[in-house]
Amino acid sequence: KAGVTQTPRYLIKTRGQQVTLSCSPISGHRSVSWYQQTPGQGLQFLFEYFSETQRNKGNFPGRFSGRQFSNSRSEMNVSTLELGDSALYLCASSSAGVADTQYFGPGTRLTVL
Amino acid sequence: GEDVEQSLFLSVREGDSSVINCTYTDSSSTYLYWYKQEPGAGLQLLTYIFSNMDMKQDQRLTVLLNKKDKHLSLRIADTQTGDSAIYFCAEKPDSWGKLQFGAGTQVVVTP
Repeated sequence: KAGVTQTPRYLIKTRGQQVTLSCSPISGHRSVSWYQQTPGQGLQFLFEYFSETQRNKGNFPGRFSGRQFSNSRSEMNVSTLELGDSALYLCASSSAGVADTQYFGPGTRLTVL
Repeated sequence: GEDVEQSLFLSVREGDSSVINCTYTDSSSTYLYWYKQEPGAGLQLLTYIFSNMDMKQDQRLTVLLNKKDKHLSLRIADTQTGDSAIYFCAEKPDSWGKLQFGAGTQVVVTP
């Protein structure tokens, strides 16, 4: 079974721009969660989607948004980029079954200049 | 991850056992997890334990859970250089997908 894939792997943007990151979950997984990882704040939960509905949201400003498609693929969007948005963005998928174990993709490294 | 605490660094000799400790705060967490992150990579799920268990063994990995003290530990037997990485413990405080992570423990294995 293929793992979680994320595209692109690396991205460089400038302040004020917007960016869209993509995540394809493991086949059959219907839940997709997004996390931001920075050296200062560690791993922080952004949001979770299940069956195209956002069912949990972390404490991030409205510039961070996401969506999930009918095939469970998910995108997250960050508008009006700030320098502090530079981070590794990780996506995780889950079958919502036993232990609800989440499997992570390799991440997208976003650098904002 | 302010509700989950881990020591930040552990140095261990190759062949010895490593023990990584974690304390969590949400007693309602049903499952607790250990993840491994190597440089430039995402998180790799190592193991998890259900909150009504005290111990779980999986090859070289042993997880101990003290629910009364909200203390979780991961023991790696016969530590190898390939075990050098950052290890995160995580709890799932509600029925949805959100995981609350600790800051991670950097494990360095020396020959």
